[in-house]
Formats: sequence, structure tokens, C-alpha cells
Amino acid sequence: EAGVAQSPRYKIIEKRQSVAFWCNPISGHATLYWYQQILGQGPKLLIQFQNNGVVDDSQLPKDRFSAERLKGVDSTLKIQPAKLEDSAVYLCASSLWGGQMQEEQFFGPGTRLTVL
Amino acid sequence: GNSVTQMEGPVTLSEEAFLTINCTYTATGYPSLFWYVQYPGEGLQLLLKATKADDKGSNKGFEATYRKETTSFHLEKGSVQVSDSAVYFCALLAFGNEKLTFGTGTRLTIIP
Repeated sequence: EAGVAQSPRYKIIEKRQSVAFWCNPISGHATLYWYQQILGQGPKLLIQFQNNGVVDDSQLPKDRFSAERLKGVDSTLKIQPAKLEDSAVYLCASSLWGGQMQEEQFFGPGTRLTVL
Repeated sequence: GNSVTQMEGPVTLSEEAFLTINCTYTATGYPSLFWYVQYPGEGLQLLLKATKADDKGSNKGFEATYRKETTSFHLEKGSVQVSDSAVYFCALLAFGNEKLTFGTGTRLTIIP
């Protein structure tokens, strides 16, 4: 079974530039998550989708971050404009449904963003 | 709010040593508890989990017991190997909420 795919794996940009990350979840998984992992910290949820609807985006900085999940499959996360403090690893995860407490989230390898 | 406090690293041990990584949590109600592992260059993988008090999760020789009275979920392994070198994250999932709350991670290095 193919895992969660993310691209690119690495990205270096200058502040005020724009960047986009792509995620392809495991086939059939209805729930998709984007996490931000700053160096030395644990991952923090940015946004959660159930199919193509947003379930939780309470920690997404909406003035500069946006995310979409068209057709309930792939997802893109965009930052515009980027700030130095956005340097982090952006992790995508998916789960089968999202309605069960014990349900496992499967993580992709992440995209490491460096903002100069 | 919910939070996870994890033993700070890095931790360096010799092969075959006993491992303990401490994890305590704060949450309303009775959360599910998890240990995730991140090997170099790879994504997070679920290592083990426990969903109720006194449950013991186990996998690949690692164990952790859900202790409600001490709000803890310490990770243990009796004899570590070089291949166990990774970053370990403790996490909780609060009841009725699919949002994982992670600790800061503990980097473990095992030397031959």
C-alpha cells in the first residue's frame, strides 16, 4: 500500500515570497491533516479536512496561509507571503475516516521549508 | 487545554542498555495516548498506543503503560539497538477531538 506522498521534500525561499506544498493521502482516506513542525518542537496541527470540507483550521494563520482539498483527495498548502518564522517541516497526514478515537494517522515524509 | 510534557533530550545510550523516556500529559477526560517515532529522513510512524487506563501498548520490544493516577505514559525498552536511533514523540488524542497534541520529541542515539 502506497503511503502519504508529499512534494517537494525541500524548499528554500526568501521572505515575502510565496510557496506551495502538495500532499497525496493514502487512497480511500477521507481525513487529511497538515501539521507544522518547527525545529525542536512537536508537530502542531494547522488544518484538518474531512473529504473536501474543513473540520478545524483554528491554528492556521489565515492572513498568510491557505489550504484546499479539491475533490477530497490531493491537497495543497500555500504560504503567501512567507516570513522567517515559517521555516519548519510541513507534515501531511491522513486517516481512514477521522471519526474514531483510536484511528491511526499516517504521516508523509514532510517538506522542509527554509525562509531566508 | 491539552498538553504533553516529554523528557528532554538528547539521550545517548550504549547498545543493549535499558531505555526509559518519560511522558506526562494534561487533558480533560480520558485521552488516547500514543508514541510516534521518526527515523532519519522519514515521516512519523506510530510505534504504539493505549486507549484507556492501565492499557499497555507494545511494539518492536517497546512498551508503555497508560497510568491515569500519575497522568503518565513512559516509553521503555529492555535492550536497545543501534537501529532504535530516532526521535520519539509522545502524543495524546482527546475524547471527541481528532487533533493530536504532541510533546517536543526526544532524540535517542544508540552507540555500538
